[in-house]
Amino acid sequence: AQTVTQSQPEMSVQEAETVTLSCTYDTSESDYYLFWYKQPPSRQMILVIRQEAYKQQNATENRFSVNFQKAAKSFSLKISDSQLGDAAMYFCAVNAGGTSYGKLTFGQGTILTVHP
Amino acid sequence: DSGVTQTPKHLITATGQRVTLRCSPRSGDLSVYWYQQSLDQGLQFLIQYYNGEERAKGNILERFSAQQFPDLHSELNLSSLELGDSALYFCASSVGLLSGANVLTFGAGSRLTVL
Repeated sequence: AQTVTQSQPEMSVQEAETVTLSCTYDTSESDYYLFWYKQPPSRQMILVIRQEAYKQQNATENRFSVNFQKAAKSFSLKISDSQLGDAAMYFCAVNAGGTSYGKLTFGQGTILTVHP
Repeated sequence: DSGVTQTPKHLITATGQRVTLRCSPRSGDLSVYWYQQSLDQGLQFLIQYYNGEERAKGNILERFSAQQFPDLHSELNLSSLELGDSALYFCASSVGLLSGANVLTFGAGSRLTVL
């Protein structure tokens, strides 16, 4: 089984500034994948970024990047040049292989507020 | 529009009733997943189907059942509804089994309110 912990229920950032959302996870599998999803007020779940655990290089998607620390089982999301449209609930998730394959386990989420 | 279609968007019903939520996956996707999002439990995986067959099961109650039809659409049946079943139910789809190579695409969700 896997667990995901997001220790920051709420975060806020000024427009154009940088913010980092924390996530730690636990899994006994050696093959797994990590994701950050965004849920704006529309409730739609939108993929922000993904990371394969076997890749040492941190994933980057435009203004979004991750800091993946495999030994520490940490997977934080950095949002640069924050925009008002980034305001949403952000979920960290892990999909582990083996018998858990096909099941995404989500953290409790972090509400991000962006101030103009 | 994500390409995953869920109906109905909103549903209000009474305790003890039965409802069916429907999901049409994105074109070409063979896997369908159901998730429940509630305030106290967060996002919970319920069940996955791949090309018509049940593939993985999560915290799905015995009162709930699902199936995937030959045209790949899926239905989630919720029966003997209780107040605690009030939640947002998401359907998601992926091309194959979930891996880093293909990710989940979520629908907009079906909001169920049990009174």
